[in-house]
Amino acid sequence: EPEVTQTPSHQVTQMGQEVILRCVPISNHLYFYWYRQILGQKVEFLVSFYNNEISEKSEIFDDQFSVERPDGSNFTLKIRSTKLEDSAMYFCASSDQVGNTIYFGEGSWLTVV
Amino acid sequence: AQSVAQPEDQVNVAEGNPLTVKCTYSVSGNPYLFWYVQYPNRGLQFLLKYITGDNLVKGSYGFEAEFNKSQTSFHLKKPSALVSDSALYFCAVRQLLYNTDKLIFGTGTRLQVFP
Repeated sequence: EPEVTQTPSHQVTQMGQEVILRCVPISNHLYFYWYRQILGQKVEFLVSFYNNEISEKSEIFDDQFSVERPDGSNFTLKIRSTKLEDSAMYFCASSDQVGNTIYFGEGSWLTVV
Repeated sequence: AQSVAQPEDQVNVAEGNPLTVKCTYSVSGNPYLFWYVQYPNRGLQFLLKYITGDNLVKGSYGFEAEFNKSQTSFHLKKPSALVSDSALYFCAVRQLLYNTDKLIFGTGTRLQVFP
């Protein structure tokens, strides 16, 4: 069964460093998302991306965050200058059509120290 | 604004017994409702969804959910629980507006099935 894959599975970084989280969405999907889950809390929407541009972003997705689809398969989330409160599990997700099921990856656990 | 509520932080059930994980929703327009499961240190796995049609929706691993419009509920059920069902369960509503397509999650319910 096709799946969303994410790398790295776990990354530890120092505060102030840049981090790039990578995702390979399901191959025929056109809609891409990033969500995050702070330990013990609920899953929160960060950003949606379609047709090479951001469709929507949440209040969490400030100027420190950016997304990119550098080629036909990868979808990345960059955090320019990490803060302690960015420590969370980051989930990439994709969907083939608006309204269809959104499939999630296994997540990238980011720890900022 | 769309939202979902999961009133129980944790549900405990004995193996073999039926289980119910509760979810209520608040939406404007027709609801698109989903259940996802998260096993320890894993991602979110899709279980089932309600878009339209039959109020009883069947999904993966023997789970089903009943859509009740009058009670604005979408409770997850399984007739006979397994220890391996122990996980974190999230109810979600799909917010579909012009140029917006995202899932809004509940706070999650931890299901613990005891042998």
